[in-house]
Amino acid sequence: EPEVTQTPSHQVTQMGQEVILRCVPISNHLYFYWYRQILGQKVEFLVSFYNNEISEKSEIFDDQFSVERPDGSNFTLKIRSTKLEDSAMYFCASAQGLDTDTQYFGPGTRLTVL
Amino acid sequence: QKEVEQNSGPLSVPEGAIASLNCTYSDRGSQSFFWYRQYSGKSPELIMFIYSNGDKEDGRFTAQLNKASQYVSLLIRDSQPSDSATYLCAVTRGQKVTFGTGTKLQVIP
Repeated sequence: EPEVTQTPSHQVTQMGQEVILRCVPISNHLYFYWYRQILGQKVEFLVSFYNNEISEKSEIFDDQFSVERPDGSNFTLKIRSTKLEDSAMYFCASAQGLDTDTQYFGPGTRLTVL
Repeated sequence: QKEVEQNSGPLSVPEGAIASLNCTYSDRGSQSFFWYRQYSGKSPELIMFIYSNGDKEDGRFTAQLNKASQYVSLLIRDSQPSDSATYLCAVTRGQKVTFGTGTKLQVIP
């Protein structure tokens, strides 16, 4: 069964460093999402992406964040200058169609900022 | 005011019983409603979605939606120990998805 994959599974970085989290969505999916979950807290929507542009973003997704689909398979989340409070699990998800009822989540990348 | 509210639990039910999970939301423009299951340290896994008022059944799961009361629920029949997890309610408006904090369910053998 097709699945969303994410790399790395765990990323440790120093405060102020740039990180890129990578996702490979399911191949025929058109809608892509990033979420984060701080330990013990709820899942928070960051951004949705369709047709090579951001379609929706939350208040969390400020200028420090960017997303890109550099080729036909990868979907990346870049954090330019990491802060301690960026430490969280980051989930990528993809969906096939317009409705969000078919979002499939990847296993997540745990980001630890020291 | 929380946008999507759930009782954090834990909700403990004996094996074979019905587990009832509840969720309220504040945005009357919410369009779609989802229930996810999340095991500790894992990603959310979609259980069901519902768009219109009423009940929707899928195997042991039934989702109920009441838009007038801004209320969504999930019933799990014949609960199994493997159902022990945190259940997340999520609502969408456009492409934005808002999750609740989740209810922890414990099914006691």
